[in-house]
Parts: sequence; structure tokens; C-alpha cells
Amino acid sequence: DSGVTQTPKHLITATGQRVTLRCSPRSGDLSVYWYQQSLDQGLQFLIQYYNGEERAKGNILERFSAQQFPDLHSELNLSSLELGDSALYFCASSVDGTTDNEQFFGPGTRLTVL
Amino acid sequence: AQSVTQLDSQVPVFEEAPVELRCNYSSSVSVYLFWYVQYPNQGLQLLLKYLSGSTLVESINGFEAEFNKSQTSFHLRKPSVHISDTAEYFCAVTVSGGSYIPTFGRGTSLIVHP
Repeated sequence: DSGVTQTPKHLITATGQRVTLRCSPRSGDLSVYWYQQSLDQGLQFLIQYYNGEERAKGNILERFSAQQFPDLHSELNLSSLELGDSALYFCASSVDGTTDNEQFFGPGTRLTVL
Repeated sequence: AQSVTQLDSQVPVFEEAPVELRCNYSSSVSVYLFWYVQYPNQGLQLLLKYLSGSTLVESINGFEAEFNKSQTSFHLRKPSVHISDTAEYFCAVTVSGGSYIPTFGRGTSLIVHP
């Protein structure tokens, strides 16, 4: 158990819908990362937050947005969903988000768009 | 920008045989290197990391990796694998003092047969 929790574990929805994925980092970790894992794209970095502020952006679509709240939990919002958005979405956390930090991954949310 | 290449998408081996999972990166600056393991239906877990110092790093479960700057490689090895080592292995790189965005390889599926 990494100490990072993600809800829900599974999510099935239809195209055009909007969903919210939730992540609670390890106690004491200030930085949260979101990743998308799919068979064709591999593990893709989406976005990083540090202590409530966006720190780095990766391959995140404009239809996707995220935020980190004062209690440090984070939410990833996916809207206007397409079939291709079906994937595993991982949240990870680290102590201070510097480049030598180990990242601790949650168990993931499996999103299926029908 | 840096990139990570894991040449083998799948490596099948028999139990107790040695294994090497290859990882090459492209970066002209100082990097930090990581190997993560993902067991079925779980998130990624750090296996080992190279930050500085000795180029040979070891994990608690018998894996080791050697940082080779001249060949820009960070191959993962284990002298004798177990069935329980069956998993997906990801190599990752971050740039020392640079962008916080980590770059992951596509992953290598290690399949250990009895």
C-alpha cells in the first residue's frame, strides 16, 4: 500500500459525458501528479501540482482539467469524453516534487467510455 | 527534451534464469534514473533509483541496475528470477535541476515461466 488513494476504482460512462477522478496523496506529500496509461500510448504524464499550484503540464488535453485543494487532495476532471479516453488514470504523490523525489502511485482509476 | 527507450516490450524467461531489461535514455545533461515495477492490477512502485555516487544500485529484492553515462543506459538485471517477478517494468528519467516532468519508457513485460 503506497498510501495514495484514488476513487473510484472503476468508472464506466458514455461519450460526451464528464467525470471527476479523485486522489488523496500520502500524508505529508505536497506534490501530486496525474498520468494516463493506455495500451497504445503507454504511461503519459498529464499534470503536476505542488501545494495547490500547477507546477508542470504534460500531454493534457484541453478537455481535461485538474486542481489541488487546500487539504492537498486533487481532482482530475475529464469532459466531452471520447472513446479514446478509455484508459487507466494514475495519481502519484511525492514529498516536494523535485526531480530526485520518488513518486508513490495510487492503484489507479480504470475509465471505460462506451 | 529527454526520451527513454525500452527496447524489449516483452521478455519471457524461465524461473531461476538471469534476466536483463534494457533502458537507454537521451539527454545531454545530468539526469536521475528510476526503475518502477507494476504488478497486475496495481500502481507503479519504485524498484530502485540512481541519483549520484556509485553507478551500481540495488533493490531489496535482488534487482540491480548500472548507470552507464557513456552509453546513456540504465539496464536492470537480476541473476535469478522468480515467478513473483512477473510484472511490467518501467524505466524513467528526470533532468537534474530541470523540468519536473518525468519521462517514462513504454515498459517491458517480464514473464517468468515455471
